[in-house]
Amino acid sequence: DIQMTQSPSSLSASVGDRVTITCRASQSVITYLNWYQQKPGKAPNLLIYGAFNLQSGVPPRFSGSGSETDFTLTISSLQPEDFATYYCQHSYTTPWTFGQGTKVDMK
Amino acid sequence: QVQLQESGPGLMKPSETLSLTCAVSGDSISGYYWTWIRQPPGKRLEWIAYIYYSGINTNYNPSLKSRVTITVDTSKNQFSLKLKSVTAADTAVYYCARVSLSDSNLDYWGPGIMVTVSS
Repeated sequence: DIQMTQSPSSLSASVGDRVTITCRASQSVITYLNWYQQKPGKAPNLLIYGAFNLQSGVPPRFSGSGSETDFTLTISSLQPEDFATYYCQHSYTTPWTFGQGTKVDMK
Repeated sequence: QVQLQESGPGLMKPSETLSLTCAVSGDSISGYYWTWIRQPPGKRLEWIAYIYYSGINTNYNPSLKSRVTITVDTSKNQFSLKLKSVTAADTAVYYCARVSLSDSNLDYWGPGIMVTVSS
């Protein structure tokens, strides 16, 4: 199985901050890398697919980059509704696997 | 707008078989892959299985393959999951989701159903 490791596991930030979350795959997933946002008690919501493609309806302050094994999710200016947990997931081959999550909370 | 809704028991006893159904509305189930994901309390998401709408192609997580069956019913626009011989380790929120045609991302999700396994 391809292991997905996110860093950090949690971070504290303020509204307006630039936030960067990284995801590392144990082997190359090319650009088959997706990012989701999950709020407490809710299902995950797709933000970025194919490493850098913004899902329809997602604000442009979210962006993704990277390829092969190293990926980044960036929130350019954190908004109050962005406090949540973020997960990366590869879809390169089965079994699809997820990172352990990065919780973004208020400083 | 595609909507998914999971249904099934909330509480089960060890060794029982879990049966979950995902009803799809707002669009036809045709043309897509459909999948089940679970999330144990405080843990990361885990992919369980996926199925093509025709039922002709299925794929299972090897960690669960011996206990899991995924099926589809196009006449009811729904798909289902069976998990045999459940234990406390199967306690989780179970989500159904649609697999996008591009890059196999999960673009629509159900709200999830909490399943607790306890004697």
